Amino acid sequence: AQTVTQSQPEMSVQEAETVTLSCTYDTSESDYYLFWYKQPPSRQMILVIRQEAYKQQNATENRFSVNFQKAAKSFSLKISDSQLGDAAMYFCAYRSARDFGTGTRLQVFP
Amino acid sequence: EAQVTQNPRYLITVTGKKLTVTCSQNMNHEYMSWYRQDPGLGLRQIYYSMNVEVTDKGDVPEGYKVSRKEKRNFPLILESPSPNQTSLYFCASREIGGGPPFGELFFGEGSRLTVL
Repeated sequence: AQTVTQSQPEMSVQEAETVTLSCTYDTSESDYYLFWYKQPPSRQMILVIRQEAYKQQNATENRFSVNFQKAAKSFSLKISDSQLGDAAMYFCAYRSARDFGTGTRLQVFP
Repeated sequence: EAQVTQNPRYLITVTGKKLTVTCSQNMNHEYMSWYRQDPGLGLRQIYYSMNVEVTDKGDVPEGYKVSRKEKRNFPLILESPSPNQTSLYFCASREIGGGPPFGELFFGEGSRLTVL
């Protein structure tokens, strides 16, 4: 059964602006990991960022950061200073290997 | 270079003609997995393997077989392909550590399969 939900099939952002992609999940576990993967037109899947559920601090990787709300089971990805190369499909994943969301296609306009 | 290699990258075949998609990783990962990606459905797990000779079904295993005779290889077998197996397939691997699954998945470049 699908446990990861990405409610935005498509998003768009102007270059240099900020965009947030949403993800919610369902679990009864208390200790787990959450991931965002990027799939550019080349189809290669690339890890963007990872969050450990027991950590209060939101993960950050350069222009990418997450807003992790454990009680709400929400795990959104914020991309700051968007660049043309950020255009891709973005997948939220729970437990790394089993459960993926349906993806959000991000377009970046110059 | 650490990588997961899939072959073929593109394949067009006909209904019922057995095919194998190979997957090999050079990172000594215990865990390997196959996914199919379809528009609007994201990635769905087909089969996975925790180690040599240990395989288990994912969410959509019907019509597929796998084997794990060596740690580095995890081929996906379609014994009698059908048009509904037309999809983009990914192989992936990761380490297995203590505690919850935490390791980054390393993906192959994908195999685009069309069954006529």
